[in-house]
Amino acid sequence: DGGITQSPKYLFRKEGQNVTLSCEQNLNHDAMYWYRQDPGQGLRLIYYSQIVNDFQKGDIAEGYSVSREKKESFPLTVTSAQKNPTAFYLCASFSGTGLTGELFFGEGSRLTVL
Amino acid sequence: AQSVSQHNHHVILSEAASLELGCNYSYGGTVNLFWYVQYPGQHLQLLLKYFSGDPLVKGIKGFEAEFIKSKFSFNLRKPSVQWSDTAEYFCAVNANTGFQKLVFGTGTRLLVSP
Repeated sequence: DGGITQSPKYLFRKEGQNVTLSCEQNLNHDAMYWYRQDPGQGLRLIYYSQIVNDFQKGDIAEGYSVSREKKESFPLTVTSAQKNPTAFYLCASFSGTGLTGELFFGEGSRLTVL
Repeated sequence: AQSVSQHNHHVILSEAASLELGCNYSYGGTVNLFWYVQYPGQHLQLLLKYFSGDPLVKGIKGFEAEFIKSKFSFNLRKPSVQWSDTAEYFCAVNANTGFQKLVFGTGTRLLVSP
């Protein structure tokens, strides 16, 4: 089955610790994204990557970092610099070419910082 | 910068009632428009999309949306809702600026009572 796998589903961490969320896709999509979902705020773009070894900051990149060493993988690190890290994190990839495609989402990772 | 407004944050309906969820965007150029749905405990999935052509778009599960360019709107409709339509609905816009970068609205939580 093709899709996007995020892990872990739930994660608890203490303040000051870095955390890495995994995102793997077997859809052969070039573009991948990380969004953050907070109640009442919708989805906000953290980082995105068009191709391997390339990525750009989204609207709320401060306190986050990413890497894109393989086409299938786009891990997100939530650093201790992120002031409000408790949230639901969604990874996505984009199908199609140009703009006439759609986003496919993983099931999300819920991070709680204690 | 593009933005998307969803004016209804919470909607409560009885089964068989008609549904219309508002979505307005701010961008003067060509856009691609989407509605995504998130059922409880499930990942975000595409409900319908508009790229070009007929401004009345039909999606899955009896949903449709109408693109009105003059009003910068893409409202979602369903003539008769079911309990299983209880979910959160997100409108998204992808400005035709050369790369796939969706901007999402804040979402509308729909509760359908049996």
